[in-house]
Amino acid sequence: EDKVVQSPLSLVVHEGDTVTLNCSYEVTNFRSLLWYKQEKKAPTFLFMLTSSGIEKKSGRLSSILDKKELSSILNITATQTGDSAIYLCATVGNTGKLIFGQGTTLQVKP
Amino acid sequence: EAGVVQSPRYKIIEKKQPVAFWCNPISGHNTLYWYRQNLGQGPELLIRYENEEAVDDSQLPKDRFSAERLKGVDSTLKIQPAELGDSAVYLCASSLDRSTEQFFGPGTRLTVL
Repeated sequence: EDKVVQSPLSLVVHEGDTVTLNCSYEVTNFRSLLWYKQEKKAPTFLFMLTSSGIEKKSGRLSSILDKKELSSILNITATQTGDSAIYLCATVGNTGKLIFGQGTTLQVKP
Repeated sequence: EAGVVQSPRYKIIEKKQPVAFWCNPISGHNTLYWYRQNLGQGPELLIRYENEEAVDDSQLPKDRFSAERLKGVDSTLKIQPAELGDSAVYLCASSLDRSTEQFFGPGTRLTVL
């Protein structure tokens, strides 16, 4: 059965800290891995990763995929209170079905 | 560009009552998804449409849940009758096709009393 596991489940940091969120997966016919940020509403798209070893960056956020280790990390540098959210990792197989992890709840304190 | 639109945003009903959720995807997006998200969990797929066709409904509890996407644009998800365990956020998402990123609507928070 396809599975996505995220760690840690929750994290509390102070503004300015750097955080690394982890995602590991077991997916049949893996095609891509996606990261989403969810505040009090719908998940908003951050990154889609398909190739191993190529970092994607958007401002203070970056992510990379390791297909050998079946994992991905999401880094946030110089965290701000606005980064407080649930970060969701999801994988896509051949069917196009998104399998989500349980999410990492990040709280950034001032 | 307008995003995925869902209504209502919140719904409170008593158990055994019916309820329906509506979703209008991003214009031009052929693939539409309904997810259910329980508290503290990631979203779980209920059904996926490619145009009008339901191509993956393996997780949809067919005894009480039904969905339709007439004309391949907007979609309705119905629960009849609702049970206490159906309380969750119901998210709709759309994508250009099954291999591109999915964009989510704001969700409908359902509370069954």
